[in-house]
Amino acid sequence: NAGVMQNPRHLVRRRGQEARLRCSPMKGHSHVYWYRQLPEEGLKFMVYLQKENIIDESGMPKERFSAEFPKEGPSILRIQQVVRGDSAAYFCASSSDRGSYGYTFGSGTRLTVV
Amino acid sequence: AQSVTQPDIHITVSEGASLELRCNYSYGATPYLFWYVQSPGQGLQLLLKYFSGDTLVQGIKGFEAEFKRSQSSFNLRKPSVHWSDAAEYFCAVGEETSYDKVIFGPGTSLSVIP
Repeated sequence: NAGVMQNPRHLVRRRGQEARLRCSPMKGHSHVYWYRQLPEEGLKFMVYLQKENIIDESGMPKERFSAEFPKEGPSILRIQQVVRGDSAAYFCASSSDRGSYGYTFGSGTRLTVV
Repeated sequence: AQSVTQPDIHITVSEGASLELRCNYSYGATPYLFWYVQSPGQGLQLLLKYFSGDTLVQGIKGFEAEFKRSQSSFNLRKPSVHWSDAAEYFCAVGEETSYDKVIFGPGTSLSVIP
């Protein structure tokens, strides 16, 4: 039973390019959370999704960032026109039932903008 | 909104010594509290959690934490540290919303010296 799979593990983009980060939740999990970890900082909540629905995107920057969790396939965090300040580790977590707070984290995608 | 503080940015202990990592939270009611560990380049792993009941919680890898409502604290302890415990430790609180939202503290980096 595979855990939460994130790919790629490392991603290098030039300023102005697009970054696509993928997250496949654990089997049976229908809740997906994205967090960003800046250097020397803790994890900051970005967005919470269920299948085909964005439930809470209060932590997402207003521009250039978007997320989706389609009916089929992984959840995608998309960053358009990346800037150096987007360099960070992006973590995805998934859970099954509400109330358990049973997060399972992926190993993250480390984005470097050059 | 709930928040979490971890007063110590970095702690160094000798192998075999005892460990206590501090965590304070702000929340009106009884919170859901967590400790996670992050090894270098890895995702987060849950060490233990407190929802209700016994205020002393046992976790994996020999860790325990004690919930003290009067001090709004949830400190993590281990009686004898091993070199493999060197990692980043995050205290977190479950924010009471319509879903399981977890807010993380800034983290404490633990170094273990021989």
